[in-house]
Amino acid sequence: DIVVTQSPDSLAVSLGERATINCKSSQSILYDSNNENYLAWYQQKPGQPPKLLIYWASTRESGVPDRFSGSGSGTDFTLTISSLQAEDVAVYYCQQYYSSPPYTFGQGTKLEIK
Amino acid sequence: QVQLQESGPGLVKPSGTLSVTCTVSGASISSYYWTWIRQSPGKGLEWIGYIHSSGSTSYNPSLKSRVTISVDTPKNKLSLNLTFVTAADTAVYYCARNRGGSNRPLGGWGQGTLVTVSS
Repeated sequence: DIVVTQSPDSLAVSLGERATINCKSSQSILYDSNNENYLAWYQQKPGQPPKLLIYWASTRESGVPDRFSGSGSGTDFTLTISSLQAEDVAVYYCQQYYSSPPYTFGQGTKLEIK
Repeated sequence: QVQLQESGPGLVKPSGTLSVTCTVSGASISSYYWTWIRQSPGKGLEWIGYIHSSGSTSYNPSLKSRVTISVDTPKNKLSLNLTFVTAADTAVYYCARNRGGSNRPLGGWGQGTLVTVSS
C-alpha cells in the first residue's frame, strides 16, 4: 500500500496569514501516461463530512475560494491557504488515488487560529 | 445535485454483522463508481472499497475477508456489510461518489452514520 504522511499534525496560523500543509507519499503518484498527480485534498469541519477542495494535486474544485491552492509532484505535495479566514478552521486530509487500491489518506492536519 | 444519505443500525454486538445503506438521490447510480469510507471517533479516514453500478468491486485488503459492497440500481441504493465486527469497527461510515473512474477523487459525500460495536 502507498503510505501518505502529512505534516504537521496541527498548525496554528493568524488570521490573514499563510497556512501551509505538506503531504508526502511513499512512492511517486505521478502517472507518466497523462502527467497527472493522483492526489486530492479534502477539508473536514467539525460534525461534517469531508469536502473535496483540490484534485490532480492542483486543480481547484468548483466553488472553492482561490485562496486555496495545491502544488507539488511525484511524492511531495503542499496545500496552501494564502490568507487564512476564520471559516478555514478544519482538519485537512490528502488522499492518493493512484493505480491500485487502497486509496489511502494522510492522517490529517488540524488547522486552528493563532 | 447528487445527495447521499447513509443509514445504519446505530449499535451492533461484537462478532455480529454491520449493515449500512446509502440512498442516492438527485442522480442515477448507473455509470458511476461509489466508495465507502469510515472514520473512527477522533481519528482519520480509512478507505473501505468501491463498487461500480455494474457490480464490480474492489476492497481494502485489510478488510477484504469481512466486507461486501453491493448495489441495488432500481432502488438507487448502495449497501455495505461488514462481518465479525469488533470494537475497532466503531466508526462513522460514509458513502461517496467518485468523480469519474475507479481511481478518482471523491466529489460528493453523505453525512455519514455512526455505528458503535458494543455488547
